[in-house]
Amino acid sequence: GAGVSQSPSNKVTEKGKDVELRCDPISGHTALYWYRQSLGQGLEFLIYFQGNSAPDKSGLPSDRFSAERTGGSVSTLTIQRTQQEDSAVYLCASSLGTSGRETQYFGPGTRLLVL
Amino acid sequence: GNSVTQMEGPVTLSEEAFLTINCTYTATGYPSLFWYVQYPGEGLQLLLKATKADDKGSNKGFEATYRKETTSFHLEKGSVQVSDSAVYFCALSVPPTAGNKLTFGGGTRVLVKP
Repeated sequence: GAGVSQSPSNKVTEKGKDVELRCDPISGHTALYWYRQSLGQGLEFLIYFQGNSAPDKSGLPSDRFSAERTGGSVSTLTIQRTQQEDSAVYLCASSLGTSGRETQYFGPGTRLLVL
Repeated sequence: GNSVTQMEGPVTLSEEAFLTINCTYTATGYPSLFWYVQYPGEGLQLLLKATKADDKGSNKGFEATYRKETTSFHLEKGSVQVSDSAVYFCALSVPPTAGNKLTFGGGTRVLVKP
């Protein structure tokens, strides 16, 4: 079956521009997560959505970052006024639930480069 | 807070050698423990997991045992292959206080030479 997909696979932008990154989770998965992988910070949690509950935004590094999940499926991560330190690989994952014991399935990531 | 510490790499081995990657954790609560692997050019994928003390996770010849007394989850494989070359990440989640979000270690790059 189809896995988690993300688009674009690569994005180059200029400092100060806004970017949108998209994630399509595995069909039927109620939980969706965003992580960031960078050389300096390793793998960091950003935000997660579970069903109709309020998202856990505790990992977002600043108010320039926001995310939404429409219809309980597709999610968009938006970074406003990008900075060079935002350059990283942004990973999306989904899982069947959020028991804390569930396997998360990761997408291939979007590699963002801010010039 | 929650944190994961794993040995820094790179780890370079010859084929058929024994591999150990140490992982220790700190958690407020009772964590579930995971090893994820990232092969060159591929995405993160689950290698194995354990959700309670003394559980052993295993997959593809890899094993790790959840040791609550030493707060460790070391990854081992008895005889590595070139195809095991990858970056390995130890991770934890702490239900229900922290939901399902994963806290990762820094990753260990393993290179297996023929």
